[in-house]
Amino acid sequence: GAVVSQHPSWVICKSGTSVKIECRSLDFQATTMFWYRQFPKQSLMLMATSNEGSKATYEQGVEKDKFLINHASLTLSTLTVTSAHPEDSSFYICSARVEGQGPLSYEQYFGPGTRLTVT
Amino acid sequence: DQQVKQNSPSLSVQEGRISILNCDYTNSMFDYFLWYKKYPAEGPTFLISISSIKDKNEDGRFTVFLNKSAKHLSLHIVPSQPGDSAVYFCAASARSSASKIIFGSGTRLSIRP
Repeated sequence: GAVVSQHPSWVICKSGTSVKIECRSLDFQATTMFWYRQFPKQSLMLMATSNEGSKATYEQGVEKDKFLINHASLTLSTLTVTSAHPEDSSFYICSARVEGQGPLSYEQYFGPGTRLTVT
Repeated sequence: DQQVKQNSPSLSVQEGRISILNCDYTNSMFDYFLWYKKYPAEGPTFLISISSIKDKNEDGRFTVFLNKSAKHLSLHIVPSQPGDSAVYFCAASARSSASKIIFGSGTRLSIRP
């Protein structure tokens, strides 16, 4: 159980275009999903917290107009990188929190990640 | 300011021996701690966690120890196996922060035959 999928697994796009990444919880409902970014050999940096039916909460330094997050249903959150530039190239990972299971609600289950390369 | 620190970027352990990965944190509001294992180009996989009301949690070959006074936790893997070679992330969360998880920088564990 607690499987999270991401699509696409990798994408190459030209500078100036927009890219949408999907995150789905396959066998559970997730009112809260998280988006992370990881640069090579570095830690996962939380970008934003995505709440179903409401606006995402962005971490300090993350441009909300550049990284658009939509959490339209209990099983789907999307991250759109708008007007992508080479410096946006990174590994983007989403996670979903299992709800209503006491301490387990702290645990997040991660998707396999999406490698974005902007040329 | 790094709230979760893993000061050893890498660790090499012989197969069959004990692997000890260390983690320090600075935020006293953290009340739940987790360890994740990650392979390249994959998402992290949850390994084991511990609540701040405990000082030890064991699950098979994995044991996590928490020393709240020192703001330190460690993950013990025994016996170490080749499949344990991966990057291990320590993470922490606080109930007051909507359960956001803050990750350390990771330790690359290599198990040598």
